[in-house]
Formats: sequence, structure tokens, C-alpha cells
Amino acid sequence: AQTVTQSQPEMSVQEAETVTLSCTYDTSESDYYLFWYKQPPSRQMILVIRQEAYKQQNATENRFSVNFQKAAKSFSLKISDSQLGDAAMYFCAPDFLQGGSEKLVFGKGTKLTVNP
Amino acid sequence: SQTIHQWPATLVQPVGSPLSLECTVEGTSNPNLYWYRQAAGRGLQLLFYSVGIGQISSEVPQNLSASRPQDRQFILSSKKLLLSDSGFYLCAWSQQGLGYGYTFGSGTRLTVV
Repeated sequence: AQTVTQSQPEMSVQEAETVTLSCTYDTSESDYYLFWYKQPPSRQMILVIRQEAYKQQNATENRFSVNFQKAAKSFSLKISDSQLGDAAMYFCAPDFLQGGSEKLVFGKGTKLTVNP
Repeated sequence: SQTIHQWPATLVQPVGSPLSLECTVEGTSNPNLYWYRQAAGRGLQLLFYSVGIGQISSEVPQNLSASRPQDRQFILSSKKLLLSDSGFYLCAWSQQGLGYGYTFGSGTRLTVV
């Protein structure tokens, strides 16, 4: 079975600093997608960034970037120049395309606190 | 553009009462549809997903059921709620086969008393 591990239940960062959230997963699939979602206190799930497993280039979206290491099955999220609005739960979610169906597998999440 | 609507936002129901949560998607056709539950401070648990009208797959045996009477409508139901059904329920959709992830509704906070 595919599993997703986010080993940091909580993280904190100073405003304007950089923080990295870790995620590892286990799968026998070779072609899949990986996502990071953000859930602020409103509990709305927001897509932060997407990575295609067959692409070696790491995805970047403004202040958010990933470090994707396919062989190590690692998919970490880096937030640069952290802002107070970045405070949220962050979920790593691979899409292993099992049997042709898209089903994201969510990690347990990392709660990020941003200190002013 | 595509939008997803989920209602109600908040619901307080007594034990043993029925439940009906509704989710609709606009601006797309033949979406994949999903129901997730999130316990307080926890991750997301997939309850049901559907790839087409009348096609429902259950991930976790439980007191809940799902139906898809129309292409863009997904309903989560229960005949008799249990205290353990309390939680935050999220509906989501994805476009089949494109690998663009899910778009989530705003969620329903269900409290069973």
C-alpha cells in the first residue's frame, strides 16, 4: 500500500525567514504526481504546488518551491520569505493514479506557525 | 471557470437522526468526485469517490453512504448518525486523467450531539 509520511507534526518560522517541510512516500509506481496543499484556519484546502514525477526540474510557485528526490521518494516544500499568512496546516499528497483512478493519499500534515 | 459548492457549512444533529450533505460542481463535465472526513487536528480520510453517475466506491466501511444522482452532484448520507460521525467533511473534484489534483469545497462542520 502507498504511504505518505510527514515527520514534522509542527514547525515554526520567523517572519521573512525560510522553512522546509518534509514529506516521504512509498510507492512502486513510476509515473505519478505530487501536491502540497495548505489548510489555513478557515479550513479551506488550497493547492500550493504541483510536481510531475517524470520531470526532474523542481516546481516553483512564487515563494514556494519543492525539492523532489524521486529515488529517495522525498518531496519537501520550501517556503521563502515567510509571511504571517503562510500560517496553516500543510499536507503532502501524492497521486499514484492507482488503476487509472486519481486518488490523492494525504499525509497527516504539518502545522506551520509564523512568528512576527 | 469551474466552481464547487458544498452545503451546509455547519450542522448540529442529534444522535440517530439522518444526514444529507450535498456537493455540486459547475463548469465541467464528468468530473471525479470525492468525500473526505477530517477529524480535529488530523489528516484527511477518503470516504467515497465516484468516477461517474451511479458509480460509487467506498474506502472505509462505516455508517455513511454516498450517491451520485447527476453528473455533477455528489451526496453524502446517513440513516442514523452516531457520535463518531462528528467531524469536518470535505467534498472535492478532479478532472479525470489529467493529474491536476483536487479542488475542494469549503467543507461542512458536523457535530453530532
